[in-house]
Formats: sequence, structure tokens, C-alpha cells
Amino acid sequence: GAGVSQSPSNKVTEKGKDVELRCDPISGHTALYWYRQRLGQGLEFLIYFQGNSAPDKSGLPSDRFSAERTGESVSTLTIQRTQQEDSAVYLCASSSWTSGVSTDTQYFGPGTRLTVL
Amino acid sequence: SQQGEEDPQALSIQEGENATMNCSYKTSINNLQWYRQNSGRGLVHLILIRSNEREKHSGRLRVTLDTSKKSSSLLITASRAADTASYFCATGGAAGNKLTFGGGTRVLVKP
Repeated sequence: GAGVSQSPSNKVTEKGKDVELRCDPISGHTALYWYRQRLGQGLEFLIYFQGNSAPDKSGLPSDRFSAERTGESVSTLTIQRTQQEDSAVYLCASSSWTSGVSTDTQYFGPGTRLTVL
Repeated sequence: SQQGEEDPQALSIQEGENATMNCSYKTSINNLQWYRQNSGRGLVHLILIRSNEREKHSGRLRVTLDTSKKSSSLLITASRAADTASYFCATGGAAGNKLTFGGGTRVLVKP
């Protein structure tokens, strides 16, 4: 596709429920990133996938958070037993590597606004 | 704490004026990027400056980088109402690695 897409755009859930957020990166982009943005704040890194390498999970705030990526395409971020503090906009980004060199520029999707009641 | 810290947190100017915002960071970097965000949703990439560069221009945007002071500035010249947005700096470490964002500068351009 032309850009990074995310679904759903908005998600309202009850505390304790599990949610799944989806990201479709730009076709051909081997690197995919998940970030979280709380209201009025900057972005916090969550997890990073690059090709077949083991993902960098260093930003995941707890074991309730997990993410998977199918090959070099779709990724899903799963939050189990959601808490009110999980309410935020979850943003996905992708970037390209050419001949083993990263372009470094990350292209962001529109985000999923998660509200936990 | 966040790697990048923007200053000021908020800025209000008249259309036609220049807007300047600064970003400071703490550790060594591979590159520094500036993004714009409208209405709290998707980020738009504005400009990337690498650690061996000192200044970069793109249209009405001018970015400087001083690695000795671990700081960068973004200048928007001849601002327009459409420039109203939040602006974030983000630092990148090793190639292709995660970005570390600051808290952003909210810019209001009054017509």
C-alpha cells in the first residue's frame, strides 16, 4: 500500500479484556516498530522487528504486552488483561533497508486510539 | 526519562513570524529526526540530520545539530496557520534502530 495502515482506528474495551491491534507496513519495508503515546506526551518505544532477527522487546512495559510479525508484513500487538493505564494511542512505523543499510527514516501509521474503561 | 527534551513546551506566534524550537539529548546518536503531529495522531517525517552533519534545509525548515552540546534546533520560517501542530525530535542510535522521542513542542500559529 501507499503508507502504513493500522486497525482499528479506535478501540474501547473494558478493564481485564484482551485487545489486538494490527499494523500493515509499507510494502518492502523490512523494519517495523511499535510505539505508545499517552495523552500530551511523546512516543515511547515498545518493540522493533527487523527481518528474521530476534525482535527488540526492550520497551514492552510488562508481560501483558506481546507482538508478532508474519514474515516482513503484518504485525499484531496484543495487550492481555488491559488496565486503565494502557489507554493511549498505539503507533506503528516501518522503515526500509537497502543492501543491509537502513534509511533510518520511519514512516508512521495513523495509530490506534485505545481506551480502557 | 526521555532522551530528547524539547524547549519550549508550547509556542504561540503570528502568521508570517519564524518559529524556533530546541531539542537536547543525552547519549551519542547516529541521527536526529524531526516529526510533526497534527491532532494527536499520525506523525509526519520532516527532516533527518546525521551525526556528521551540522545543518540541513528543507523548504521553510532549517535544522541544526551541535553534537558537542548534544542539541538541535528546528526553525520554521514565514510560518502559516497550517504549521499549527506538535513538533517532536527523535534520536536514533545504531542504524535502523528504535527512535527515542522527546515530549514535543506545541506550536500555535495565529492567522
